[in-house]
Amino acid sequence: DVKVTQSSRYLVKRTGEKVFLECVQDMDHENMFWYRQDPGLGLRLIYFSYDVKMKEKGDIPEGYSVSREKKERFSLILESASTNQTSMYLCASGKDPNYGYTFGSGTRLTVV
Amino acid sequence: KQEVTQIPAALSVPEGENLVLNCSFTDSAIYNLQWFRQDPGKGLTSLLLIQSSQREQTSGRLNASLDKSSGRSTLYIAASQPGDSATYLCAVSDYKLSFGAGTTVTVRA
Repeated sequence: DVKVTQSSRYLVKRTGEKVFLECVQDMDHENMFWYRQDPGLGLRLIYFSYDVKMKEKGDIPEGYSVSREKKERFSLILESASTNQTSMYLCASGKDPNYGYTFGSGTRLTVV
Repeated sequence: KQEVTQIPAALSVPEGENLVLNCSFTDSAIYNLQWFRQDPGKGLTSLLLIQSSQREQTSGRLNASLDKSSGRSTLYIAASQPGDSATYLCAVSDYKLSFGAGTTVTVRA
């Protein structure tokens, strides 16, 4: 089974801090995604990557950046965390859209 | 832009009843449709994947249908159990996933 691992289940950070959320997959997948999930707004795509060092903006990229230096790892970076970035962050990966995507267990980030 | 709608938003049924969850989408140019389950505070677990060329997919008590031309999918869960209580999300893929808001199901013992 594909495993998508998000390094932290819960994080509490202070406003203005630089925050790194890490996602690692073990199946050599080309495609990786970062979503955030908020009550009443559902899941929204932040960034995605279809290959190493390649990245594309999703629907809500403002305030975020990403890094993909190795195929298995896709990092989401909050350059200067703000309280409106308090959310559940979900990472997903997949080899090909025809085979569907697998999600990690999520990181609940609270910015105080 | 793809819009995905799930009806109803919430559903409460006694144990043993069959569940019917609906999903509709606006753009039929999709690779596939995926149904996920999410427990409170947890990630998404994939339940079923239906390719755009398929009409339905089954796994155990779960059956999902897809009518791409009308932009609809239905998830059936037979003989519901309290352990089926969760939020069910449908997502359509045009490479990226677009999600509905989910249906929160409560199965009463």
